[in-house]
Amino acid sequence: GESVGLHLPTLSVQEGDNSIINCAYSNSASDYFIWYKQESGKGPQFIIDIRSNMDKRQGQRVTVLLNKTVKHLSLQIAATQPGDSAVYFCAEPQIKAAGNKLTFGGGTRVLVKP
Amino acid sequence: GAVVSQHPSWVICKSGTSVKIECRSLDFQATTMFWYRQFPKQSLMLMATSNEGSKATYEQGVEKDKFLINHASLTLSTLTVTSAHPEDSSFYICSARTRLAGLYEQFFGPGTRLTVL
Repeated sequence: GESVGLHLPTLSVQEGDNSIINCAYSNSASDYFIWYKQESGKGPQFIIDIRSNMDKRQGQRVTVLLNKTVKHLSLQIAATQPGDSAVYFCAEPQIKAAGNKLTFGGGTRVLVKP
Repeated sequence: GAVVSQHPSWVICKSGTSVKIECRSLDFQATTMFWYRQFPKQSLMLMATSNEGSKATYEQGVEKDKFLINHASLTLSTLTVTSAHPEDSSFYICSARTRLAGLYEQFFGPGTRLTVL
């Protein structure tokens, strides 16, 4: 979404539980999506990406699900650890277009409780 | 590979002074670099798009005379905050874009924390 400037919602998770972070996008023409993780005081880090010809992609402890019908993206983190505490953003860069710029949605803060 | 650095990582300055922040792509060439600003507990807001050898394109509401951007080479872009004031205190993040295997990919720097007293 384009909720730039809004304060971040927070997801509190018990260590060891699974986390699910959701993201809605508006551009039905988007064909590529990225999830970023931003730890406090650092720049965004690439976590995982998915192309629109897929509905699921798995990485190490992370899974991204894409539902193009409702324009919804989710990031699932398995067995959440204290190091997963961060803000998570989804982004939809138009990687085939030189003129496009990558903007971030509102993001979700994940707090892992010991 | 694909590392982006920023310098300084943090800076404290007095109100009215100017501050320059550097963004470098260390192991690739970036025809386009982007500057973002992030206030506490908020998302990254795109300030401007910088293309090597041409003028930067600023987002609506961003003063081009206050935030001077120079992209003189394919590996360096600078952001100068002129006559900084306390409300300019923020976390400034750059990113550099390159083309890999025909697709455009963007890599982020670690950010620069600016505090204006």
